[in-house]
Amino acid sequence: EAQVTQNPRYLITVTGKKLTVTCSQNMNHEYMSWYRQDPGLGLRQIYYSMNVEVTDKGDVPEGYKVSRKEKRNFPLILESPSPNQTSLYFCASSFGRGLDEQYFGPGTRLTVT
Amino acid sequence: TQLLEQSPQFLSIQEGENLTVYCNSSSVFSSLQWYRQEPGEGPVLLVTVVTGGEVKKLKRLTFQFGDARKDSSLHITAAQPGDTGLYLCAGVGGATNKLIFGTGTLLAVQP
Repeated sequence: EAQVTQNPRYLITVTGKKLTVTCSQNMNHEYMSWYRQDPGLGLRQIYYSMNVEVTDKGDVPEGYKVSRKEKRNFPLILESPSPNQTSLYFCASSFGRGLDEQYFGPGTRLTVT
Repeated sequence: TQLLEQSPQFLSIQEGENLTVYCNSSSVFSSLQWYRQEPGEGPVLLVTVVTGGEVKKLKRLTFQFGDARKDSSLHITAAQPGDTGLYLCAGVGGATNKLIFGTGTLLAVQP
């Protein structure tokens, strides 16, 4: 089954404790991205990757890191989480950028206290 | 910065009613997509429109792209509880061919 998986689905952590949210897709997509979703703001892109070893900042990259060592995986790293990073996070993948359909993971709800 | 504003932000209606959701911008988009997101899941693509004035139908859902490609609408006829969810428009535009999401419309259809 074609899908994007994220782990964990729920995470409660404390300020400053490094964490990683994993994302994996099995569709051989080249383009992957991370979004955060906050009420009234829609989905905002954090980082994206056009291919292996190619990553770039989205609209709200501050406080986040990503890596793309393999085509299927695109982890999101929060080196020192802060309460303003409490949000619902989605990983997405597609064949390319722009018009191509984005396939989203089920989301990770992160709470930073 | 390109922005997509959706209205209304919230909508609660009874089963069988009709509704329209609007997606507006001051910028031109080369194409526009509509997604639906159900609780606990990620958004799922419903439709992509690429030509100004284009109308697409998906069962009881009708999507229209504005003539100037700055706005779009989603009309649902005879809404059903299964239509409940968050509806997101997303436009492709700019030199970077970037996908920009709207602010979302949360729809609740009561049985």
